[in-house]
Amino acid sequence: EAGVTQSPTHLIKTRGQQATLRCSPISGHTSVYWYQQALGLGLQFLLWYDEGEERNRGNFPPRFSGRQFPNYSSELNVNALELEDSALYLCASSLALEASSTDTQYFGPGTRLTVL
Amino acid sequence: GENVEQHPSTLSVQEGDSAVIKCTYSDSASNYFPWYKQELGKGPQLIIDIRSNVGEKKDQRIAVTLNKTAKHFSLHITETQPEDSAVYFCAASSWGFGNEKLTFGTGTRLTIIP
Repeated sequence: EAGVTQSPTHLIKTRGQQATLRCSPISGHTSVYWYQQALGLGLQFLLWYDEGEERNRGNFPPRFSGRQFPNYSSELNVNALELEDSALYLCASSLALEASSTDTQYFGPGTRLTVL
Repeated sequence: GENVEQHPSTLSVQEGDSAVIKCTYSDSASNYFPWYKQELGKGPQLIIDIRSNVGEKKDQRIAVTLNKTAKHFSLHITETQPEDSAVYFCAASSWGFGNEKLTFGTGTRLTIIP
């Protein structure tokens, strides 16, 4: 069974540009989570999508947004990139809320975003 | 909101010895506590998890204990091997309250000395 996949692996942008990151969840999973792992700051929760809707949002500015498609894949968009947005962006997926008794999340390999 | 503290930040252990990593959490509503292992250049990999209605869980050389009263949980790795070298993260979540997100500790870099 394929795990969570993310693309691209690496992304280089300049300040002020927009970045789009993509995630495909494990087959059968309907929830997708996005986390930011900046150097020295650990993993910070960004967004949670379930059944196509945004369910929860972390303490990040509105220029971080995303969406979930009918096939449960997801896209993270970062507008007006700043230097401090450079980080590893991780996507995780889990079963639908009603199908699981825990918040078990499985992570993809991440997209390394570098803002110059 | 939830706050998770993790200690130590670095840990070096002789191969074959045991390693213990400790975490504390602040939100008494937290009910799910996973541990992840992250190797260089890879995403975090779930290695073991525990729910709040369980005090201890073991999977071969790895075990997790939970003390709900004291709000702390620990990861125990026995008979350590070189492939155990990685960064380990603890996390907490209050599942079922509409707040299904993981709050992570700051990580422990474990080095196994051959």
